[in-house]
Amino acid sequence: RKEVEQDPGPFNVPEGATVAFNCTYSNSASQSFFWYRQDCRKEPKLLMSVYSSGNEDGRFTAQLNRASQYISLLIRDSKLSDSATYLCVVNPWGKLIFGQGTTLQVKP
Amino acid sequence: DAMVIQNPRYQVTQFGKPVTLSCSQTLNHNVMYWYQQKSSQAPKLLFHYYDKDFNNEADTPDNFQSRRPNTSFCFLDIRSPGLGDAAMYLCATSTTGKEQFFGPGTRLTVL
Repeated sequence: RKEVEQDPGPFNVPEGATVAFNCTYSNSASQSFFWYRQDCRKEPKLLMSVYSSGNEDGRFTAQLNRASQYISLLIRDSKLSDSATYLCVVNPWGKLIFGQGTTLQVKP
Repeated sequence: DAMVIQNPRYQVTQFGKPVTLSCSQTLNHNVMYWYQQKSSQAPKLLFHYYDKDFNNEADTPDNFQSRRPNTSFCFLDIRSPGLGDAAMYLCATSTTGKEQFFGPGTRLTVL
């Protein structure tokens, strides 16, 4: 079993749609959680950290469920510019473990 | 602006010819990482430094070595590149346990 699992997609959605990604992790001792965004042939960039109480940044909402060991990312009112790969990242031992990423394509 | 810089951005080498990739940072972070990322795959951690302490991943081939002469610089040496080593190599930095900041990467081609 992979340490961090994501549905690779692609998720194809129209502009303005709401889309949600889930991610599961295997190590219950994981301390911190992040979503990174990676554009084609570019480096990953931090989108947001994920806190136990859930957190929101504009159109993006992240949730953490420690009991079920999953993390979610919700994107509201999708824009064309949201098209990218979204990487779920977990920190169990002081280093980051990346999921494979979920690809999002927002269509006009 | 504080940042992570990688040089070169594109590197072409011949099969078996040693190559060195460099990374520098102005963030004054104590941890530096090297990742290998192949197409449609997650970044794979090769090794990282906590300050001067080197930490090698168990499955990192011996062909890959690293040096960190000071806080700001870190190098990745590939002693004898094979065709399977063609990939994007990403350098990242962080303070301990915090989010990582990535450089733009070096895309390595092996002929």
